[in-house]
Amino acid sequence: GAVVSQHPSWVICKSGTSVKIECRSLDFQATTMFWYRQFPKQSLMLMATSNEGSKATYEQGVEKDKFLINHASLTLSTLTVTSAHPEDSSFYICSARDTGTRTGELFFGEGSRLTVL
Amino acid sequence: SQQGEEDPQALSIQEGENATMNCSYKTSINNLQWYRQNSGRGLVHLILIRSNEREKHSGRLRVTLDTSKKSSSLLITASRAADTASYFCATSNYGGSQGNLIFGKGTKLSVKP
Repeated sequence: GAVVSQHPSWVICKSGTSVKIECRSLDFQATTMFWYRQFPKQSLMLMATSNEGSKATYEQGVEKDKFLINHASLTLSTLTVTSAHPEDSSFYICSARDTGTRTGELFFGEGSRLTVL
Repeated sequence: SQQGEEDPQALSIQEGENATMNCSYKTSINNLQWYRQNSGRGLVHLILIRSNEREKHSGRLRVTLDTSKKSSSLLITASRAADTASYFCATSNYGGSQGNLIFGKGTKLSVKP
């Protein structure tokens, strides 16, 4: 099946630093990718929709200047958490839609765990 | 925003027993999907059922959908210890290539050997 790779799988950083998380579709093209955030023992909350070649669409309450999304190619979207603070510590998961299939099935990455000290 | 609500929130059973998880949602949907998540890992797609379908099977999985009640159930038969995970339902109201998924809160299933 299709594979979505996220990197890094975990990262620890100091407050005030910026962290970049990559999401790659390895064997298919994805014009649309989605970024989710998951707090411990909770569900996934959609943060933003990443569109190749255009600006991301952010969900209500998500700061676009805090969570920068870039979708520069059909196989790569990046999420940058700027000036990270402890409350940004979370599990971030991306998904990519295989637009080459009829169903447009979503495939999820393995997630990136961010810990901000 | 949250769409689905799963119940129970947690379910503990013995190996070999069946596990049933339910999901309710609020708005019109195009399809409903069930995902599995092992602790600290990404999501694995289990099964998709479209709004015009009532039941679907895949191996030991059986999914039902009742659009009049806006609810779905996931049945795992003859459970195994390896089925221990969190299970989420997710709804989509788009049929085309766009459209995101809205996830429920999940059911944490524990299967004891």
